[in-house]
Amino acid sequence: SQQGEEDPQALSIQEGENATMNCSYKTSINNLQWYRQNSGRGLVHLILIRSNEREKHSGRLRVTLDTSKKSSSLLITASRAADTASYFCATDGGSNYKLTFGKGTLLTVNP
Amino acid sequence: NAGVTQTPKFRVLKTGQSMTLLCAQDMNHEYMYWYRQDPGMGLRLIHYSVGEGTTAKGEVPDGYNVSRLKKQNFLLGLESAAPSQTSVYFCASSYGQGVETQYFGPGTRLLVL
Repeated sequence: SQQGEEDPQALSIQEGENATMNCSYKTSINNLQWYRQNSGRGLVHLILIRSNEREKHSGRLRVTLDTSKKSSSLLITASRAADTASYFCATDGGSNYKLTFGKGTLLTVNP
Repeated sequence: NAGVTQTPKFRVLKTGQSMTLLCAQDMNHEYMYWYRQDPGMGLRLIHYSVGEGTTAKGEVPDGYNVSRLKKQNFLLGLESAAPSQTSVYFCASSYGQGVETQYFGPGTRLLVL
């Protein structure tokens, strides 16, 4: 069963705009991660946020985590055409060994 | 470092045929994983390994077997391929205790006719 669910399923914006994607999960976690997948490629890790953290930044990425609502958001600021990709959240569901991935948000950034 | 590599990149099988997908990592990672990715389904964990000589079932293990005879290699076998196993298969690895960053290979696209 899916632990994380991303919302929206698809998002289309103009270059320079901000993009926000959300992830909801069901069980308690140790950490939550976000990955990017370009078409036809493997996933690439973007950022990890631990359950005791509320916000984390990495370059143009900002991730928030609300464990009381079991939700996370990924904000990409000043988007570029190269940000066009699918974005997945992944949670450990309390496991020490494995992650469960959501179905992803397809982001399209139009030049 | 090559990171995580997968062979082959693409394969066409007939129903009932067998094959082995090879995953190799040169990062000395303890943990290795096999996922399948289908349209609209995200990634689903097939099998995983927490160290050389150990394997465990994931979410969708039926029809697959795995082996981890060497720390750097994780093999995924299909004994009798079925059309339902048409998918893109990704291998990943991670280091250390706990669920840290996973590093993914480029994927193997499998078509079963």
